Amino acid sequence: DVKVTQSSRYLVKRTGEKVFLECVQDMDHENMFWYRQDPGLGLRLIYFSYDVKMKEKGDIPEGYSVSREKKERFSLILESASTNQTSMYLCASSLLRQGGSTDTQYFGPGTRLTVL
Amino acid sequence: AQSVTQLGSHVSVSEGALVLLRCNYSSSVPPYLFWYVQYPNQGLQLLLKYTTGATLVKGINGFEAEFKKSETSFHLTKPSAHMSDAAEYFCAVSEDSGGYQKVTFGTGTKLQVIP
Repeated sequence: DVKVTQSSRYLVKRTGEKVFLECVQDMDHENMFWYRQDPGLGLRLIYFSYDVKMKEKGDIPEGYSVSREKKERFSLILESASTNQTSMYLCASSLLRQGGSTDTQYFGPGTRLTVL
Repeated sequence: AQSVTQLGSHVSVSEGALVLLRCNYSSSVPPYLFWYVQYPNQGLQLLLKYTTGATLVKGINGFEAEFKKSETSFHLTKPSAHMSDAAEYFCAVSEDSGGYQKVTFGTGTKLQVIP
């Protein structure tokens, strides 16, 4: 079974803090994704990565950055957390790089981040 | 640009009744369509997906969905609801975007099962 783990289930931070969310997958997947999930808005893509040290902006990258130093690990960084970044953050991975439009995405359990 | 519309953010059914969750999509190319389920305090997991071939797709836990191109729909059904089906369900469309997978999710439908 594919396993995607996220470093924290719940996180509380203060406005202006730098926040790191970590995600690890154990199935040698090429692609990794970060989404945020908000009620009534579904999942929105923040960033994705198709290879080590490669990254692409998703639909809502503002206020976020990412890092992928190793194939199995994809980090989401909030440089200066703000209250409007309070949300559920979901990491996902999928197997293929190019031409992988039929790929299943495998999700971690999510990190619920509260910014006070 | 692709998009997904899920009709009804909340659906309630009685245990044993038919489950019908609606999904309509728009896509400029032949779509790949997915249904994911999210149980409380968990991430999403795949229920079923349509890529090519047979338009009626069977998934896990007795769910199935039918791809209807003329109606641009991919509704999810289950003949008899079980209490364990209570969850949030997301329809998604995937297409190739610049050589990479671009997935657009619907806003989700929360299914409540009443005993």
